[in-house]
Amino acid sequence: QVTLKESGPVLVKPTETLTLTCTVSGFSLSNARMGVSWIRQPPGKALEWLAHIFSNDEKSYSTSLKSRLTISKDTSKSQVVLTMTNMDPVDTATYYCARSYYGDSLPYFDYWGQGTLVTVSS
Amino acid sequence: DIQMTQSPSSLSASVGDRVTITCRASQTISTSLNWYQKKPGKAPKVLIYDAFTLHSGVPSRFSGSGSGTDFTLTISSLQLEDFATYYCQQSYSTPWTFGQGTKVEIK
Repeated sequence: QVTLKESGPVLVKPTETLTLTCTVSGFSLSNARMGVSWIRQPPGKALEWLAHIFSNDEKSYSTSLKSRLTISKDTSKSQVVLTMTNMDPVDTATYYCARSYYGDSLPYFDYWGQGTLVTVSS
Repeated sequence: DIQMTQSPSSLSASVGDRVTITCRASQTISTSLNWYQKKPGKAPKVLIYDAFTLHSGVPSRFSGSGSGTDFTLTISSLQLEDFATYYCQQSYSTPWTFGQGTKVEIK
């Protein structure tokens, strides 16, 4: 059974750095057909893709947030970590991690975590 | 970056209606287009991948079509549980991007 679970602070102050952890089970982060993305949704707004880490450790980032994001993984712990620096109230959102699956073609997000709401406020 | 534009942003429909949502990419993406359903307080669920392939367990009333830059999600007969927000997402090239969403509301 594939599961993903996000963990991290529920409240951060402006200018602080957010660190979120996605703990996965039911698959390996070294599986060539799979990767993990972070995606967020501010209240009342659309989904926004943030970052992705591939099985070979290659990374990709949102263009607008690239300077603030770092994604990494610890395969032995089955964890993917996202850090976002210089947090601002506009970063208040529910943050999801999701597995990308490469079937016969290009990937799609087939499993998602439950999401974690992060509020940025002093 | 590839921009994804959905229309309409919202629509009102009744149970049993046929509903069509469109998604346009700012450049050609072949069939690298996925559709997700999002309900409040729940994680998104994939409905369609590769533009027209129904994900396992998704009811057959959902279908997808299109290639290149123009895509469509169709719900053939809207059910109560289908009232939600729908997002398209391109996986043709990183950075991957989502559309702004289409909210399907009860008329």
